[in-house]
Amino acid sequence: EDQVTQSPEALRLQEGESSSLNCSYTVSGLRGLFWYRQDPGKGPEFLFTLYSAGEEKEKERLKATLTKKESFLHITAPKPEDSATYLCAVQAGGGATNKLIFGTGTLLAVQP
Amino acid sequence: KAGVTQTPRYLIKTRGQQVTLSCSPISGHRSVSWYQQTPGQGLQFLFEYFSETQRNKGNFPGRFSGRQFSNSRSEMNVSTLELGDSALYLCASSFSGQETQYFGPGTRLLVL
Repeated sequence: EDQVTQSPEALRLQEGESSSLNCSYTVSGLRGLFWYRQDPGKGPEFLFTLYSAGEEKEKERLKATLTKKESFLHITAPKPEDSATYLCAVQAGGGATNKLIFGTGTLLAVQP
Repeated sequence: KAGVTQTPRYLIKTRGQQVTLSCSPISGHRSVSWYQQTPGQGLQFLFEYFSETQRNKGNFPGRFSGRQFSNSRSEMNVSTLELGDSALYLCASSFSGQETQYFGPGTRLLVL
């Protein structure tokens, strides 16, 4: 069965303290891995899409990387406004389906 | 370009009632997917529509149904509401379904 696991469940950082979030996956035929950010009471906001092992994407203080078994979201010198839940999702298998399988997320709190 | 819109944003219903939620995708997007988000289960796939056809369905009871109109707008319906249906219902759209999906703000449903 396709599965996505995120760790840690929660992470508290001081402003400027860099860290990484992990997303490990077990799927049949990865077609894409997606990172989203979700603020309380809002819908997920798209961050990155990764398609193949070795791929990296960057946006401001965030950098996403992908291997054959996991993805990392690196946060460099975070600010309080980076506090949110970060969700990882995969699209897998054949066919035309666009179904996303989500992990349970990492709740990030950045303290000033 | 306007994002995904969902109406209503909040709903309170009682057990046994039915509810209809609406989703308008980003202009030009033809694929719409629905997800249920709860604290215990996270984000779970309900179903997806492409060109007015249901392309995939998640593991939810038949009380959950949906449809898509010729203008790509989509509705989902939940009949005979149960307390456990209380959740944030999210709609996501993409051009054809096999690339990045963009989420709306969600409809918060509370069943009393």
